[in-house]
Formats: sequence, structure tokens, C-alpha cells
Amino acid sequence: SQTIHQWPATLVQPVGSPLSLECTVEGTSNPNLYWYRQAAGRGLQLLFYSVGIGQISSEVPQNLSASRPQDRQFILSSKKLLLSDSGFYLCAWRVPGLLEAFFGQGTRLTVV
Amino acid sequence: KNEVEQSPQNLTAQEGEFITINCSYSVGISALHWLQQHPGGGIVSLFMLSSGKKKHGRLIATINIQEKHSSLHITASHPRDSAVYICAVRSYHPGGGADGLTFGKGTHLIIQP
Repeated sequence: SQTIHQWPATLVQPVGSPLSLECTVEGTSNPNLYWYRQAAGRGLQLLFYSVGIGQISSEVPQNLSASRPQDRQFILSSKKLLLSDSGFYLCAWRVPGLLEAFFGQGTRLTVV
Repeated sequence: KNEVEQSPQNLTAQEGEFITINCSYSVGISALHWLQQHPGGGIVSLFMLSSGKKKHGRLIATINIQEKHSSLHITASHPRDSAVYICAVRSYHPGGGADGLTFGKGTHLIIQP
């Protein structure tokens, strides 16, 4: 069966520190992968998506970057966190051409 | 860009009540998701709809494609149903593009014993 792992579940980081959130998918090949963020009081917003290894598209300009070093691994990074990076980050995937999406558990990031 | 509106934003009800949460969107879609977000933040996918109605236990989801509207119903509500319920739509992008989901802001539901 297909599963998605996202970690960590919660994270507290100081301003200016680096960030690395990892998402891995099992049970499928060549999925479309997505990173979303939910800022306080707002809905989830698409940050990045990837249709293949090394292929990253950014939806909104920000202090974050994404990478896909392997087919089923999607990483969200920052070199220097800002207070405004605090929020809930969610990884998702789906099989290209199919409608259903699958979601990770999310990471609640607090930048202090 | 698809605009997704959920109502109500907050809902407090007594245990046993029938709950309805509404979602409307502005542009035609290929699919709509209902998600449940627990207080700790974890997301659970409840339903994916393209048309009609789906039922799972005490949860029922309906969608009216013509009216661009979906509802999530909870029968015999229980305190453990307390969570944020989020509607998300996948817009149709014939030319490709992000093809990600557009999310509503969520409905914060509290069921009191």
C-alpha cells in the first residue's frame, strides 16, 4: 500500500538557523510531490511541486527551497529561517493523471 | 485562480447534533477533498469527490458540480469529532501547471459533551 512519511511532527528553531524537512513516499513510482504551508489564520498554500527527480517548481517567492534528490523523496529547506516562516508544513503526493491526493501528517514549525 | 470559501468558520454544537459544513468554489474542478486536521496538526483525508455523494460511517459528503458547492455532514456528532475540517479543490488545468490543490481556511468544529 502507498504511504507517506513526513518528519518531524513539530520543530522549534531559532531565527537564522537552517531548516530541513523531509518527506518520503512508499509504494508508488514517479509521483507528483507537493509542499504546502498553512500560516496562522490562513488556508494551506502551495509552495513547491515536483513532477520528477530534480524538477522543482515554485509557486510563491519566499525564503524556502525544495529539492527532490530521489524519486520518492522531497525535501524542504531554508538556509536562514525567518520568524515569518513559522507555520504548518504539509507534504502531499499523487499519481500523475489520477485525482486522489495523499497527505503527510504535517510539521508544525515555530521560529523563535 | 479558484477561490474556496468555507462556512461556518467556527461551529460549536452539542453531542448528538447533526453537523453541516459547507464549501463553495469559483471555478470548475476535477475533484474536491474533505480533510480533517486534529489539534496536533495531523491531516487525515476523509473524502475525495468528483460527483454525487459518499458516506463513511457517520460522515457524509455531497457535491453539486453545477452549483460549485459541497457539504460535509456529521450525524450523531461526538466530542472526538472536534477538529478543523478543510475543503480543498483541484482545478482543471488542461495546459498543465501546478495542478496542486486550493484549500479553504477550514471550519473549526467543537462538539461539547
